[in-house]
Formats: sequence, C-alpha cells, structure tokens
Amino acid sequence: EDQVTQSPEALRLQEGESSSLNCSYTVSGLRGLFWYRQDPGKGPEFLFTLYSAGEEKEKERLKATLTKKESFLHITAPKPEDSATYLCAVAQGAQKLVFGQGTRLTINP
Amino acid sequence: NAGVTQTPKFQVLKTGQSMTLQCAQDMNHNSMYWYRQDPGMGLRLIYYSASEGTTDKGEVPNGYNVSRLNKREFSLRLESAAPSQTSVYFCASSEALQESPLHFGNGTRLTVT
Repeated sequence: EDQVTQSPEALRLQEGESSSLNCSYTVSGLRGLFWYRQDPGKGPEFLFTLYSAGEEKEKERLKATLTKKESFLHITAPKPEDSATYLCAVAQGAQKLVFGQGTRLTINP
Repeated sequence: NAGVTQTPKFQVLKTGQSMTLQCAQDMNHNSMYWYRQDPGMGLRLIYYSASEGTTDKGEVPNGYNVSRLNKREFSLRLESAAPSQTSVYFCASSEALQESPLHFGNGTRLTVT
C-alpha cells in the first residue's frame, strides 16, 4: 500500500535552533514530492516540488532534499513565524497524490 | 489576486440536511479538487476535475456529488449530511492534474449534528 509517513508528529524548538523534518514514502513511480506549509485556520500553501533523488530546493530558512525513500525539510535558525504544520505529499502514476499527516512545528522566542 | 475562494467559511447542519460548498479560482487553472481534512487522517481527496467538463471520484467520494460549473467554479454537494461528514473541506486548483503544485482555499469548517 502506498504510504507517506511524516516524523515527528510535533516538534518544539527554540528560536535559532536548527532541525529537520522527515517525510518517508513507499510509493512506486514517484512523479514528484511536494512540501506545503499550513497555518491554523488556513489552507496549505505550496513551498517546494522535488522530482528526483539528489535534488535540493531552498527558500529563506528552509531547504528540502530528496532521496529514493525520503525527503527532509531542513530549517535553519528558525524564527517564531516559521511555526506551522508542514505537510508533504507524493505524486505517483495514475494521477494520484498521497499526503502525509504533517509535522506541527512550534518555534519559541 | 484572490486565488481560490471558498464559501461558506463555517456551516452547521443537522443530520439529513443538504448543502452545497462553493469554490472559485481566478488563476485560469485547468484542474480542481475537493479534499477533506480530519485529525490524524491527513488530507483525503473526495472528487477532482481534470478539466472543464470532467469529474472523477477520489479516495472518499461516498455521500458527495460535484459539479464543474465552468473553468472557474467547482462545487461540492452533500445531499443528506451525516455526522461522519463533520470535517474541514478544502478546494484546490492546479495548472495540470496532480503533478503541479496545488493552490488551496482557506477551507469550510462543517459540523453535522
């Protein structure tokens, strides 16, 4: 069964404390891996798309990387405004997109 | 630039009542989607429309119907609401089916009592 698992479920960091979020997947025929950010009461907001192992994308304090089995979202020197739930989703063949359950990130000032 | 607009933002229904959730996008996207988000379940696809004039079932279509009214608008109808349909519903759009980034609305929070 196709699965996307995110860990940890929740992560609390101090401002400036770098860390990584994990998204592991067991889908065949990967067509792309997406990262989204979701603030409370809002819809998910697109961050990155990764298509092949070894690919990296960066945006401000966030960097996403991809291997054949997992993706990491690295957050460097986070600020309180980076607090959100981060979702990953994997697109495979036959127009199917599978979402993980998300990691709830809290950055304390 | 509004993006994806959903109405209403909140709704409370009694079991057996019907309602339609409205969604409109102004990005000239071809594909549109309806998802539901429940605690511990992640986002699950209800229905999607690859292009104007087509609709297809997603992962959890039972109890729902959709209409792709035109390229901009995609509505979701609950004919006879059940408590299991209490959820947050998100509409999304993309340039192409599933492989392009999704642009989401801010959701409709539905409670069925």
